[in-house]
Amino acid sequence: ETGVTQTPRHLVMGMTNKKSLKCEQHLGHNAMYWYKQSAKKPLELMFVYSLEERVENNSVPSRFSPECPNSSHLFLHLHTLQPEDSALYLCASSQDLASRAGNTGELFFGEGSRLTVL
Amino acid sequence: AQSVSQHNHHVILSEAASLELGCNYSYGGTVNLFWYVQYPGQHLQLLLKYFSGDPLVKGIKGFEAEFIKSKFSFNLRKPSVQWSDTAEYFCAVGTNYQLIWGAGTKLIIKP
Repeated sequence: ETGVTQTPRHLVMGMTNKKSLKCEQHLGHNAMYWYKQSAKKPLELMFVYSLEERVENNSVPSRFSPECPNSSHLFLHLHTLQPEDSALYLCASSQDLASRAGNTGELFFGEGSRLTVL
Repeated sequence: AQSVSQHNHHVILSEAASLELGCNYSYGGTVNLFWYVQYPGQHLQLLLKYFSGDPLVKGIKGFEAEFIKSKFSFNLRKPSVQWSDTAEYFCAVGTNYQLIWGAGTKLIIKP
């Protein structure tokens, strides 16, 4: 148990569906992240939020839409995805934003949401 | 472009064998270095980190890593592996601007 909870753990969706991934952190952290994990590839940072404000968007297609209603919750809304979007989507949090560059400490990850797009 | 290279995608060892997983990075400035581990079906978690000081860093579960600045390397070692070390291991390098990840090495320990 890391204090970061992701739901659902598994999701299968068609290309025309709309679904959302949810992340909740119970650590009192100020920064939250969405990462994409694909086999044999480095983790890809998608979005960074600090105190509910988006501070980084790494050229992610608009079919991925993040939402951070408060500092404990983070969503990733999915719409008209492509099969190549199938991957493990990881949520992470850290005490402060500097940890996104590894400056002050570690990231705390959830167990991920395994997404399959048919 | 800045990158982190983990030399092997898959490593298979027998229990009690010694382990060394390679990690090299391409960045000329000051770095912070991390190894994370992901056990099957579990979350990524920090194994050890280097910020400054003694370049030989000890982490959890008997793992250690050595930062060799001249070689831009931060290799992970364990003298005697156990079946429970089966996992995927990720090296990450913090550059003050971003955290750069390696592609991971899947370690399988045969009982």
